[in-house]
Amino acid sequence: NAGVTQTPKFRVLKTGQSMTLLCAQDMNHEYMYWYRQDPGMGLRLIHYSVGEGTTAKGEVPDGYNVSRLKKQNFLLGLESAAPSQTSVYFCASGSIREGSSYNEQFFGPGTRLTVL
Amino acid sequence: GQSLEQPSEVTAVEGAIVQINCTYQTSGFYGLSWYQQHDGGAPTFLSYNALDGLEETGRFSSFLSRSDSYGYLLLQELQMKDSASYFCAVRGSGNTGKLIFGQGTTLQVKP
Repeated sequence: NAGVTQTPKFRVLKTGQSMTLLCAQDMNHEYMYWYRQDPGMGLRLIHYSVGEGTTAKGEVPDGYNVSRLKKQNFLLGLESAAPSQTSVYFCASGSIREGSSYNEQFFGPGTRLTVL
Repeated sequence: GQSLEQPSEVTAVEGAIVQINCTYQTSGFYGLSWYQQHDGGAPTFLSYNALDGLEETGRFSSFLSRSDSYGYLLLQELQMKDSASYFCAVRGSGNTGKLIFGQGTTLQVKP
């Protein structure tokens, strides 16, 4: 199993350009998440999905859109990139074990995005 | 709202024991998790506490006191490879599996 994969690994954009980050998981997890991590800071949730065809906003959703057309894929879009969106983006997937509140998230390797 | 506080940096020597504390404020509590991250790589799950007490997994243990809104991660017999960032996280309300992360503690293990 590959676990959680992300493409691309690195990207440099100019202000105003658009791009899509792709996340794929092969663990049949219901839940998927997009985070951003800035230097010296924790992970902040951008958007998340509790199942195919559903998405919801996290802590910092402005400037981003997402789609989950297939259970295994979760796409993060930047319509008009800004320098403030320079960050490392992590995708994660997870499931909540039946009968418990236990949940573990599995993270991808990250996408390092620079917006000039 | 929900917020977590943990020290920004901790330094210890190889072979020692170190404790990383985490205090939290939440509107509803559904468990405290710990994640490890090496050099900006993918965070990996370490432990989870839903109930008060100590959970032990090898050299790592995690403790929770819900009445004090407090938990800690205990690392024993420190090794150089334990140098990393450690994040505590609380599960958000609702059945979404959302996690709210602390800002992380950078642990430096010295020879």
